[in-house]
Amino acid sequence: EAGVTQSPTHLIKTRGQQATLRCSPISGHTSVYWYQQALGLGLQFLLWYDEGEERNRGNFPPRFSGRQFPNYSSELNVNALELEDSALYLCASGQGLNYGYTFGSGTRLTVV
Amino acid sequence: RKEVEQDPGPFNVPEGATVAFNCTYSNSASQSFFWYRQDCRKEPKLLMSVYSSGNEDGRFTAQLNRASQYISLLIRDSKLSDSATYLCVVKNTGKLIFGQGTTLQVKP
Repeated sequence: EAGVTQSPTHLIKTRGQQATLRCSPISGHTSVYWYQQALGLGLQFLLWYDEGEERNRGNFPPRFSGRQFPNYSSELNVNALELEDSALYLCASGQGLNYGYTFGSGTRLTVV
Repeated sequence: RKEVEQDPGPFNVPEGATVAFNCTYSNSASQSFFWYRQDCRKEPKLLMSVYSSGNEDGRFTAQLNRASQYISLLIRDSKLSDSATYLCVVKNTGKLIFGQGTTLQVKP
């Protein structure tokens, strides 16, 4: 069974540009979660999508947005990139209250 | 105050040692609890779920005290391969909330 897949692995953008990150959950999972991990910091919750709807949002500005497609894959868009957006962006999928999530290997975004 | 608090360490221990990590969480309505392991520059991986009755997986034992809002992880007979960051995680309103992590370095 394929795990959570993310693309691209690495992304380099210039300040002010837009970045689009993609994620495919484990087959059968309808929920996708996005997290940001800046260097040396903990994982910060960004967004939760389930059944195509945004269910919860972390404490991030509106220029962080996303969507979930009918096949449950998801996109994270970051507009007007700032240097501080440089981080590892992790996507996870999971089902059920008592289950943890499985993470993809992440997209490392560098803003220069 | 952070929702999940951990001692960042680092904990430096010799091979074969027993080491314990603790964390506290602030939201008494938190629903489920986990320990994750994260290797340098990699994604976190689920180590084990944590239950009030305590649970064991080989050399690893986890315990939850809901009254004190306290979670623990015990690693016995430490191996070099146990060197990593251990993340205490609680699930609340459908999302996982991560502690900052505790770094373990096992030395020969």
